[in-house]
Amino acid sequence: GQNIDQPTEMTATEGAIVQINCTYQTSGFNGLFWYQQHAGEAPTFLSYNVLDGLEEKGRFSSFLSRSKGYSYLLLKELQMKDSASYLCAPLSGGYNKLIFGAGTRLAVHP
Amino acid sequence: EAGVAQSPRYKIIEKRQSVAFWCNPISGHATLYWYQQILGQGPKLLIQFQNNGVVDDSQLPKDRFSAERLKGVDSTLKIQPAKLEDSAVYLCASSLEGAMDRVEATNEKLFFGSGTQLSVL
Repeated sequence: GQNIDQPTEMTATEGAIVQINCTYQTSGFNGLFWYQQHAGEAPTFLSYNVLDGLEEKGRFSSFLSRSKGYSYLLLKELQMKDSASYLCAPLSGGYNKLIFGAGTRLAVHP
Repeated sequence: EAGVAQSPRYKIIEKRQSVAFWCNPISGHATLYWYQQILGQGPKLLIQFQNNGVVDDSQLPKDRFSAERLKGVDSTLKIQPAKLEDSAVYLCASSLEGAMDRVEATNEKLFFGSGTQLSVL
């Protein structure tokens, strides 16, 4: 079976840094995605990690530890528009099934 | 490049009625996914197609839901009969590859359509 855990809600201040953690258990792990979803919109791709370590892309970075079944998304210099849900999604199986966690709702306030 | 197209955008039906959703993936994308997203939850995978074959439908309620992808391009998802708990957004997504012998890992990146918001009354 598969299990994905991430915090339900987080709040942060504009300009600050926030880290959203995700732990997962899957069979046949092939990498992990992070998606952003604004209210009423479809998810959009943020990052993909397949090897251990940190992937940096502008204000967003994502880290993966395969041995620990752990990933985090780091958002720097937070802006109001970063208020959204952040979905952790491990890729698994022979046909690369993408299973989403429940998501972390991030609220950025002034 | 055109994105994933879905229709209708919104649908309101009464319980026990039937409804169908349509999806046209990005041209050339082999893999097509249907997800159900209930308010406040993450997307739940209903069915995954690789070209025109089903590779995963383990979470599809087969007594009422059906999906097909004729000719390996566009797809329809049907609910018959609908229940109150089917109220959700139905998201279609596509990706380039979807198989283990991929060359570029990021070919697995999913592109989502805008979704169909279904309300069952």
